[in-house]
Amino acid sequence: EDQVTQSPEALRLQEGESSSLNCSYTVSGLRGLFWYRQDPGKGPEFLFTLYSAGEEKEKERLKATLTKKESFLHITAPKPEDSATYLCAVQATGRRALTFGSGTRLQVQP
Amino acid sequence: SQTIHQWPATLVQPVGSPLSLECTVEGTSNPNLYWYRQAAGRGLQLLFYSVGIGQISSEVPQNLSASRPQDRQFILSSKKLLLSDSGFYLCAWSAPGGHETQYFGPGTRLLVL
Repeated sequence: EDQVTQSPEALRLQEGESSSLNCSYTVSGLRGLFWYRQDPGKGPEFLFTLYSAGEEKEKERLKATLTKKESFLHITAPKPEDSATYLCAVQATGRRALTFGSGTRLQVQP
Repeated sequence: SQTIHQWPATLVQPVGSPLSLECTVEGTSNPNLYWYRQAAGRGLQLLFYSVGIGQISSEVPQNLSASRPQDRQFILSSKKLLLSDSGFYLCAWSAPGGHETQYFGPGTRLLVL
């Protein structure tokens, strides 16, 4: 059974204090790993798709990396507007469904 | 560009009443469509997906059903709501054919009392 575990559950940072969010996964065969951002009461907003170990993608202050067992979302010099829940999901080869983790709630204080 | 709509945004329904949630996608043809439910403090769970008109696959047994009457319209229904049907319902789409990135709509908050 595919599983995704995200840590920490919650993270509080000061503005400008860089950190990383972790997504550990087990999947029979990885088709893709996805990062989303979700604001309260809203639908998830797509951030990145990673397909193979060693792959990295960047967008503004965010950088996602992938190994064979985990992915990291690095946040460099975060701003209060980066506050949100960050969701990680995996898609197994041959499957339609995404398996989601429970998310990391990030709060960035000014 | 593609846009996905869901309505209503919020719904409060009594136990035993029927349900109909609607999702429409603009700016793409023959998308794959998905219904997810997000329970408080838990990850999203796929309920149904569709690769074309009239084609529905169910991921989990439940009190709900789905239909796709038009290419870019996806409907989630129930004949009699249960308390356990409360949650945040999300519709998503992906490009046709392969297993592409899924893009989510704004969601519908359903409270069954």
